[in-house]
Amino acid sequence: DTAVSQTPKYLVTQMGNDKSIKCEQNLGHDTMYWYKQDSKKFLKIMFSYNNKELIINETVPNRFSPKSPDKAHLNLHINSLELGDSAVYFCASSLMGGGDEQFFGPGTRLTVL
Amino acid sequence: LAKTTQPISMDSYEGQEVNITCSHNNIATNDYITWYQQFPSQGPRFIIQGYKTKVTNEVASLFIPADRKSSTLSLPRVSLSDTAVYYCLVGENTGGFKTIFGAGTRLFVKA
Repeated sequence: DTAVSQTPKYLVTQMGNDKSIKCEQNLGHDTMYWYKQDSKKFLKIMFSYNNKELIINETVPNRFSPKSPDKAHLNLHINSLELGDSAVYFCASSLMGGGDEQFFGPGTRLTVL
Repeated sequence: LAKTTQPISMDSYEGQEVNITCSHNNIATNDYITWYQQFPSQGPRFIIQGYKTKVTNEVASLFIPADRKSSTLSLPRVSLSDTAVYYCLVGENTGGFKTIFGAGTRLFVKA
């Protein structure tokens, strides 16, 4: 029944490791997003995918790479993790893009040690 | 890109009406205004969206003046469970994909 799901919910890892966060939506939406929310609670968009095409890349380091095997999935892969990558990462989806209502996942809390 | 400015925090008491104003001076013609609510340890949740004038749903009202350079989210008779962060979001709704969340307003509702 979950509209937007993310795995894992918690991720603890060492600096320099590579990790992935998975996201799936069962709403039939065309656009999916990744957001980063830091310790100060600022919510910043990282990527937006529409029909498997990257639409937005908000100056995110190239260590972060979104991968979309199909319209229902948008995974986030992070290489060479750094301490500053520690944050909560939210996946979201919307019917189209822009101002369309976005449905958010529960978030993945990433802690880099 | 239209950026938004909101108060960092607000306090209220149960049963009061709360109005949170968001400034978006550079709003574009095609931009809609959307508000989200976020509880701790959860993802944001859509509250209301509007283009101009006034929009009302079962949760809130959204007031947008004619120049659309600001908007006000109105929460009637708040309860303790309305304690959350409220984000103002401005973005295109006609095919564009650039949306920016503001810093959010932390609303504390006291008994």
